[in-house]
Amino acid sequence: GNSVTQMEGPVTLSEEAFLTINCTYTATGYPSLFWYVQYPGEGLQLLLKATKADDKGSNKGFEATYRKETTSFHLEKGSVQVSDSAVYFCALRYSSASKIIFGSGTRLSIRP
Amino acid sequence: GAVVSQHPSWVICKSGTSVKIECRSLDFQATTMFWYRQFPKQSLMLMATSNEGSKATYEQGVEKDKFLINHASLTLSTLTVTSAHPEDSSFYICSATSGTGLDQPQHFGDGTRLSIL
Repeated sequence: GNSVTQMEGPVTLSEEAFLTINCTYTATGYPSLFWYVQYPGEGLQLLLKATKADDKGSNKGFEATYRKETTSFHLEKGSVQVSDSAVYFCALRYSSASKIIFGSGTRLSIRP
Repeated sequence: GAVVSQHPSWVICKSGTSVKIECRSLDFQATTMFWYRQFPKQSLMLMATSNEGSKATYEQGVEKDKFLINHASLTLSTLTVTSAHPEDSSFYICSATSGTGLDQPQHFGDGTRLSIL
C-alpha cells in the first residue's frame, strides 16, 4: 500500500544550523508530495510541494526535491531560525479529491 | 488565499454529551471535505471523506454512528461526536478542496481540541 516514512524526532539544532529531515515514500503510480508544518496548538500549513519527478518545491528557505529513483522527498534548509520550531509532516496524495497520507511527523526544536 | 474556518477551536465537555464541530470554506466552494484526527505527538489519521450532498466515506475502524458527518452545502461540513467519552479526546482537523485536479490544494482548518471529562 501507499505509505510515508520520515525520520523520527525530536530534532534539536542550534540557530543557523543546516537542517535535513528525511522522507521516503511507497506508492503506486505518481503521487504528488508535500511537506506540511504544524506550529504548537495550530492546524497544518502547506510548506511546499512537488507534483512530478525532479520537481523542487521551495518556500521560506526550505527546499525538497522529488526523487523518483530513491522514492525520497527530503526537506532541507540552509540556516534554521528559532521560529522554524514546529512539527513537520511529509505527505503524499494522488489528486485533490483523494486523501492525504501523512508521515509520522518530526518535531524540530531550534535553540537560540 | 483560500481559508478554512473551524469552530470551535477548543471545547471541554462532560462524558456522554454530543459535540458538533463545524468546518467552513470561507472563499471557495468545497466539493470535498476531509476529517482527520490527531492524538498527542502523533500523525494525522483520516477519519472520513465527505462530498457535498452525499454520504461520507469512512475509513476502516471509524464508527460512523459515533462520528456523524454532514456535508449539506458547498461551504459547510460538520462532525458530530455522539455520546463522547474520554477516549474521544483528541485534536480534530478538517480540510477542504474545490476540485479534482492534481494542482487543486487541500486547505486545512486550524483544528478543534476536544477534551472530554
